[in-house]
Amino acid sequence: QQQVKQSPQSLIVQKGGISIINCAYENTAFDYFPWYQQFPGKGPALLIAIRPDVSEKKEGRFTISFNKSAKQFSLHIMDSQPGDSATYFCAAGSGNTGKLIFGQGTTLQVKP
Amino acid sequence: EAGVAQSPRYKIIEKRQSVAFWCNPISGHATLYWYQQILGQGPKLLIQFQNNGVVDDSQLPKDRFSAERLKGVDSTLKIQPAKLEDSAVYLCASSRPGGDGYTFGSGTRLTVV
Repeated sequence: QQQVKQSPQSLIVQKGGISIINCAYENTAFDYFPWYQQFPGKGPALLIAIRPDVSEKKEGRFTISFNKSAKQFSLHIMDSQPGDSATYFCAAGSGNTGKLIFGQGTTLQVKP
Repeated sequence: EAGVAQSPRYKIIEKRQSVAFWCNPISGHATLYWYQQILGQGPKLLIQFQNNGVVDDSQLPKDRFSAERLKGVDSTLKIQPAKLEDSAVYLCASSRPGGDGYTFGSGTRLTVV
């Protein structure tokens, strides 16, 4: 199976709060799990990515948590800011081929 | 480094017409991808090139879509004839082999009326 399921579809968070977006995948052959941020009128931009040999990766306010046995991974945005308001996509794929399967996206709104 | 360049930014055509999109990848990126992003959905891979050869075109509707990457640099994606359901943003991305440096362009928004 090639699907990547993402939730929630939309999220509203107060400034300073924690935003959490979840994804689940089916294909155990996937070995690369990136998160992309997309602003209106722009292409997706790589935010942070993880490989399945680690359970967590942190870059600034952004953290990926990865659960290989459950085939799930999540994005945590700490101290959310209005500038973080965007659509976020998880993806899964092969680090060798570069092919990515994207989730449906989560629209995040951070209220001042 | 310069990003992935795409043109045009917007295109409106009538159904059954043809349309072409152009992509110039980041210099040195051997792998080029075309994605289709329908409003409210995640991008879906249409075709992947490695240099000027096709790696994966399993999701490309070959009865109406075609793509080429002559000389392993620029690429064009063509739709002929277009259908209403082809309305979407067409994203081009490029990377070094193995996916390193994966970068998307800003896309071409196609509206078929």
